[in-house]
Amino acid sequence: DVQMTQSPSSLSASVGDRVTITCRASQSISSYLNWYQQKPGKAPNLLIYAAASLQSGVPSRFSGSGSGTDFTLTISSLQPEDFATYYCQQTYSTLGTFGGGTKVEIK
Amino acid sequence: EVQLVESGGGLVQPGGSLRLSCAASGFTFSSYWMSWVRQAPGKGLEWVANIKQDGNEKYYVDSVKGRFIISRDNAKNSLYLQMNSLRAEDTAVYYCARVNIVVVPAAIGQRRLFDYWGQGTLVTVSS
Repeated sequence: DVQMTQSPSSLSASVGDRVTITCRASQSISSYLNWYQQKPGKAPNLLIYAAASLQSGVPSRFSGSGSGTDFTLTISSLQPEDFATYYCQQTYSTLGTFGGGTKVEIK
Repeated sequence: EVQLVESGGGLVQPGGSLRLSCAASGFTFSSYWMSWVRQAPGKGLEWVANIKQDGNEKYYVDSVKGRFIISRDNAKNSLYLQMNSLRAEDTAVYYCARVNIVVVPAAIGQRRLFDYWGQGTLVTVSS
């Protein structure tokens, strides 16, 4: 099974900050990597697919990069509505797995 | 507008059974793989099962194999999860999600993504 490890598990940041979240796969997954945002009590929302493609309707301050085993999600200028938990997901294997999540909190 | 609405959650004793349903609308249900994803209280996401468009391919996470059955009724635009021999560790919010398959110009091969999710239904396994 492909294991996904996110870091950090949580971070504190201020509005306007540049934020970077990392996701590492236990084996190469090419660009079979998605990113989701989840707010408390809500379902996850797709942000980025295929490692770097922005889902329709998602603000351009979100971007993704990486290939193989190492991936990053970057928020260029953190907005109040971005405080949430972020998950990476690999879809290289049939039953994809999620990372453990990164909670972005207000500093 | 795409909508996924789960139902069927509730409190069940260990060893019991429960059947979850997901009613889909706003898209051609029979054209998409569908999945169940769960989230234990305060924990991360776990992909539970998925099913092909015609129902002839099904995949499960190891922890539910032999206990859960995913199925669908394309005539009713509905997805199901039959959960048997429930354990305390199955306690979670269960989401159904649409699996979209896209071609990315810069990438070789297709990519799967979960582009629509239901609001979730809570399953609590406790005596």
